[in-house]
Amino acid sequence: GENVEQHPSTLSVQEGDSAVIKCTYSDSASNYFPWYKQELGKRPQLIIDIRSNVGEKKDQRIAVTLNKTAKHFSLHITETQPEDSAVYFCAASKDTGGFKTIFGAGTRLFVKA
Amino acid sequence: GAVVSQHPSRVICKSGTSVKIECRSLDFQATTMFWYRQFPKQSLMLMATSNEGSKATYEQGVEKDKFLINHASLTLSTLTVTSAHPEDSSFYICSARDPFDRERKTQYFGPGTRLLVL
Repeated sequence: GENVEQHPSTLSVQEGDSAVIKCTYSDSASNYFPWYKQELGKRPQLIIDIRSNVGEKKDQRIAVTLNKTAKHFSLHITETQPEDSAVYFCAASKDTGGFKTIFGAGTRLFVKA
Repeated sequence: GAVVSQHPSRVICKSGTSVKIECRSLDFQATTMFWYRQFPKQSLMLMATSNEGSKATYEQGVEKDKFLINHASLTLSTLTVTSAHPEDSSFYICSARDPFDRERKTQYFGPGTRLLVL
């Protein structure tokens, strides 16, 4: 079945450094890749997304890249701040199969001040 | 963005009782809603896809008689955990997709329901 793998599971960086989270997906029909940030006890919040017809997208300190051939996509956070500390989930979905979204296992990001 | 509400936010119940959780799309109509379960420090696991006016589609390993889903209107889906046991204790989150948002295909999540079965 569909699968999304996410690495690393935990990431600790110094404030101001960059953080990179990587994901791979198995279903070649996937064409939409959102990234969510979840703080403890709260709902996941969409932070950025990318569609399969685009290779890269940037929004201020956050960027996402997609390699459809390799079925890889990555989240890049630059100039990290303590408030970036949270759990980040990558996900993949497609137009068929009821639009269901498959999530990665999550990355717990710690930004040390 | 679109707003999804969920009720209750927390529930504590005795083993053997049933618990109903409601998920509402507040400013859009959702023909499809999704129910997830999240254990502590784990990812969101899709349980089922709730389809308005028809039967829900359950993921492999999810008991449909245990987790009853009803999607009676375009703005409301309910999940009933029947005969709850301590192992059902978890964080249950629903999401909905705006069917007119064809470009972004974004799912909007409810705030979640924390269930504790004693």
